[in-house]
Amino acid sequence: KQEVTQIPAALSVPEGENLVLNCSFTDSAIYNLQWFRQDPGKGLTSLLLIQSSQREQTSGRLNASLDKSSGRSTLYIAASQPGDSATYLCAVATQGGSEKLVFGKGTKLTVNP
Amino acid sequence: EPEVTQTPSHQVTQMGQEVILRCVPISNHLYFYWYRQILGQKVEFLVSFYNNEISEKSEIFDDQFSVERPDGSNFTLKIRSTKLEDSAMYFCASSETGGYQPQHFGDGTRLSIL
Repeated sequence: KQEVTQIPAALSVPEGENLVLNCSFTDSAIYNLQWFRQDPGKGLTSLLLIQSSQREQTSGRLNASLDKSSGRSTLYIAASQPGDSATYLCAVATQGGSEKLVFGKGTKLTVNP
Repeated sequence: EPEVTQTPSHQVTQMGQEVILRCVPISNHLYFYWYRQILGQKVEFLVSFYNNEISEKSEIFDDQFSVERPDGSNFTLKIRSTKLEDSAMYFCASSETGGYQPQHFGDGTRLSIL
């Protein structure tokens, strides 16, 4: 059974800092890995999707990497801003099923002005 | 940009009542999902739906739950007899082709059972 873990559970940084969020998963047989942003009381906004054959994806100040063999992904946020404050969720779509997503519990990021 | 829409945003229901949560997926998408998130916990998969039938369901999705695509645009989740532990945020998601495309989520319906 696929398990997804995210470390740290919470992170507080000053504005302008570069930061890394970590995600690990137990079953490397995945279709893809998706990073989401969740604001309080809101839905999930898809940030980046990395296919199992890819090593990284970039969108603006965000860069996500994937090491499938070791079951790890990182989300790098450059030059953080207060508007980046949110919970960041990692989710994997495991092969052999309906491509359902298995989620981590998230990292709550606070960027202080 | 096309988006997944869910109604209502908040539903308050007495325990034992039936509730229907509604979703309009993105129009050219073929795969549909329901997830839920109990306050403070992980987002959990409930059910996936493709080609007018359930393709996978979790152990949470028992006989009290059902899904339907009554027309070409709506996708509904019905809970027949609600329990206190059904209180959660329910998210609908859709995907164009399944595993190789991202899932797009709605803003959710907050279900409160009294």
